[in-house]
Amino acid sequence: AQKITQTQPGMFVQEKEAVTLDCTYDTSDPSYGLFWYKQPSSGEMIFLIYQGSYDQQNATEGRYSLNFQKARKSANLVISASQLGDSAMYFCAMREYSSASKIIFGSGTRLSIRP
Amino acid sequence: GAGVSQSPSNKVTEKGKDVELRCDPISGHTALYWYRQSLGQGLEFLIYFQGNSAPDKSGLPSDRFSAERTGGSVSTLTIQRTQQEDSAVYLCASSLGTLAYNEQFFGPGTRLTVL
Repeated sequence: AQKITQTQPGMFVQEKEAVTLDCTYDTSDPSYGLFWYKQPSSGEMIFLIYQGSYDQQNATEGRYSLNFQKARKSANLVISASQLGDSAMYFCAMREYSSASKIIFGSGTRLSIRP
Repeated sequence: GAGVSQSPSNKVTEKGKDVELRCDPISGHTALYWYRQSLGQGLEFLIYFQGNSAPDKSGLPSDRFSAERTGGSVSTLTIQRTQQEDSAVYLCASSLGTLAYNEQFFGPGTRLTVL
């Protein structure tokens, strides 16, 4: 069964520092996709970045990069040069090809950026 | 608008009443998903539609919950005889398809409060 684990319920980071949000996953399907979403206090879910299980390179989108370690089943999100607007909940999620009907979400990490 | 829309944005109801929550997906998106997010929690999958059919209803918490989708577009989530534990934010998402890399675009959610 697919499972997503985020072990950091909350994190505080100084503005302009880099931050890594941890995510580990479990699946028996060799084909899957991994996603990160940001949820500000306003409540909307904002897609940040996607990594496919067969992608050879780590995904990057602006200040966001995904540190994908397939053997360890780890998909950590790295935010470089953090900004005050990065303060939000961050969710890691996965969808398996074999059960592509739904995305399973982790419990989230609340990131707070200090000025 | 170009995004997923949901209505109402807020709904307060009395225990035992029925409620209907509406989702308008992005035009052309064949897949539609309903999730529930309780306060401070991650997202809980409820149901998924491909076109007008619902191949996966595994997340519906009880038979008080039902959903339909008409014309491959608008979807309605109905909760009958609401209970206080139904209080949550109900999020709708749509995607072009159900491949693992198909990103889900989320609506702003409906905040349901059952008194």
